[in-house]
Amino acid sequence: QKEVEQNSGPLSVPEGAIASLNCTYSDRGSQSFFWYRQYSGKSPELIMFIYSNGDKEDGRFTAQLNKASQYVSLLIRDSQPSDSATYLCAVNPAGNTGKLIFGQGTTLQVKP
Amino acid sequence: DADVTQTPRNRITKTGKRIMLECSQTKGHDRMYWYRQDPGLGLRLIYYSFDVKDINKGEISDGYSVSRQAQAKFSLSLESAIPNQTALYFCATSDLTSGRPREQFFGPGTRLTVL
Repeated sequence: QKEVEQNSGPLSVPEGAIASLNCTYSDRGSQSFFWYRQYSGKSPELIMFIYSNGDKEDGRFTAQLNKASQYVSLLIRDSQPSDSATYLCAVNPAGNTGKLIFGQGTTLQVKP
Repeated sequence: DADVTQTPRNRITKTGKRIMLECSQTKGHDRMYWYRQDPGLGLRLIYYSFDVKDINKGEISDGYSVSRQAQAKFSLSLESAIPNQTALYFCATSDLTSGRPREQFFGPGTRLTVL
């Protein structure tokens, strides 16, 4: 089992819809969770981070964390074509305060 | 000016050659990382360093070595390059805030091709 798993997609949604991206992780002691966006050929950039169970909202983005189910998700409301990118889930494992384990990424396509 | 820079940005080399990828940062972070990215495999950690005297292997360190010359500089070497080391390589930096890890800031990447 991979430490951090994502569906590679592509996930295709129409413009204006809600895109839901999911990530599961295996280390139950993981404490910090990050979502990065990566455009083709570019470097990853942080969109959201979350530490506590529940939801965290920032503009059109909402991160959701459920530690009991070892599940973290990213919702993108009112999806725009400019949101088309690969979204990487990253997890900080227990016992190591600086290291991140990345999932393989989900490719999102927002169609006009 | 970019906070995390990588040189070269693109490199084509031949099997068996030694190659060095360099990373510099002006963010003042003490933690630095090297990743490689292959299609469909996400980012995989090669080496990481929490300060100049602390260097650690990541999940795929075989065939690679690193040097932390200063707080701001972290270089990655391929002693004898092989074709399956063809990939996109990223350097990243981070620090701790209030005891919690914060985001990693990535350089622009180096596209390496080994023929």
